[in-house]
Amino acid sequence: GIQVEQSPPDLILQEGANSTLRCNFSDSVNNLQWFHQNPWGQLINLFYIPSGTKQNGRLSATTVATERYSLLYISSSQTTDSGVYFCAALDRGSTLGRLYFGRGTQLTVWP
Amino acid sequence: KAGVTQTPRYLIKTRGQQVTLSCSPISGHRSVSWYQQTPGQGLQFLFEYFSETQRNKGNFPGRFSGRQFSNSRSEMNVSTLELGDSALYLCASSLGLQDNSPLHFGNGTRLTVT
Repeated sequence: GIQVEQSPPDLILQEGANSTLRCNFSDSVNNLQWFHQNPWGQLINLFYIPSGTKQNGRLSATTVATERYSLLYISSSQTTDSGVYFCAALDRGSTLGRLYFGRGTQLTVWP
Repeated sequence: KAGVTQTPRYLIKTRGQQVTLSCSPISGHRSVSWYQQTPGQGLQFLFEYFSETQRNKGNFPGRFSGRQFSNSRSEMNVSTLELGDSALYLCASSLGLQDNSPLHFGNGTRLTVT
């Protein structure tokens, strides 16, 4: 299956700072999603973004499919942004429900 | 629209026992997938069901099984529990028909095996 690598593994920020999380994937993908896992364990879908750029409030994401990477930008960080951010991809040979996840970026935002 | 619902939220079982977890997908979603999350292995795919048929399976032993009902609700079963089965089990649903259908996850069931 496809390999998904995320960096950095850990990120510590002060409130108000900006950050960029990166996701590299090893092969062409049909489906690329970013998730935020809250302290209670729920994975919340942030973006479905197999290519191009999307924005949602303080968050935006860009996927360059030809170069096999995606970036998640968080601007003006808030303490509620803390948690683990996962990137997940669907490779072309798999069925829709079978996402390959990276190991995540643990984000801690201090007040 | 109600989200993906998983029950129970927490479970404590003893080695050797079996357990059944339940997942109700978002209304209209026909694909249900199950994932296991542990600190050591991260998020790993267990299996996916679509229209009551298993259409993909991850690399887990046969002790892990699942099924899907005609209303798209799904259950997974783990028999002969081992300590290593302690994990957060997450269920996700999607429309299941196109590659551009995002997955939506439930709150998970946290299983502890003692």
